[in-house]
Amino acid sequence: EIVLTQSPATLSLSPGERATLSCRASQSVSSYLAWYQQKPGQAPRLLIYDASNRATGIPARFSGRGSGTDFTLTISSLEPEDFAVYYCQHRINWPRTFGGGTKVEI
Amino acid sequence: EVQLLESGGGLVQPGGSLRLSCAVSGFTFSSFAMTWVRQAPGKGLEWLSAISSSGDKTNYADSVKGRFTVSRDNSKNTMYMQMNSLRAEDTAVYYCAKDLGYSFGQPYYYMDVWGKGTKVTVSS
Repeated sequence: EIVLTQSPATLSLSPGERATLSCRASQSVSSYLAWYQQKPGQAPRLLIYDASNRATGIPARFSGRGSGTDFTLTISSLEPEDFAVYYCQHRINWPRTFGGGTKVEI
Repeated sequence: EVQLLESGGGLVQPGGSLRLSCAVSGFTFSSFAMTWVRQAPGKGLEWLSAISSSGDKTNYADSVKGRFTVSRDNSKNTMYMQMNSLRAEDTAVYYCAKDLGYSFGQPYYYMDVWGKGTKVTVSS
């Protein structure tokens, strides 16, 4: 099973600042990595798939990059609604797994 | 509008069984793979199981393999999760989710639309 390690666990930032979240895989997942956002009491929302493709309706301030074992989600300028928990997930083999999450807090 | 609605959650004793349902509308159910994900209280997301569009291929997390069974009825636009031998650590909100689509003819197995979840509590 591939282990996805997200860092940092918590990121404390202010609106307007840049957020950089990391996801590291225990073995290569090629570019087969997605990012999700989850707000309290809500279901997750797909942001980025296959490392760098924004899902439908996702603002351009969200971007993803990486391949192999190291991936980054960047939020270029935090909006108030971006404060949430972010998870990565791979799809290269079974079982799929999620990272432990990064909380972006004000 | 694409909608997914989970049901069947509740309180069950350790060792008991539950069957969750995921009723969908707003898209051609039989064309998409589907996934179950759960979230224990205060914890992160845990991928549980996926099923292909026709139902002929299924996969499971090690934590539920042999105890949980995913299935679907495309004529009823519904996916199911039969959960047996339930344990306290199965207590969670269970989400069903629709697949993003296809890449080079194969399902992505990323989840682009999610239900609101159904709560399962395993306790005596």
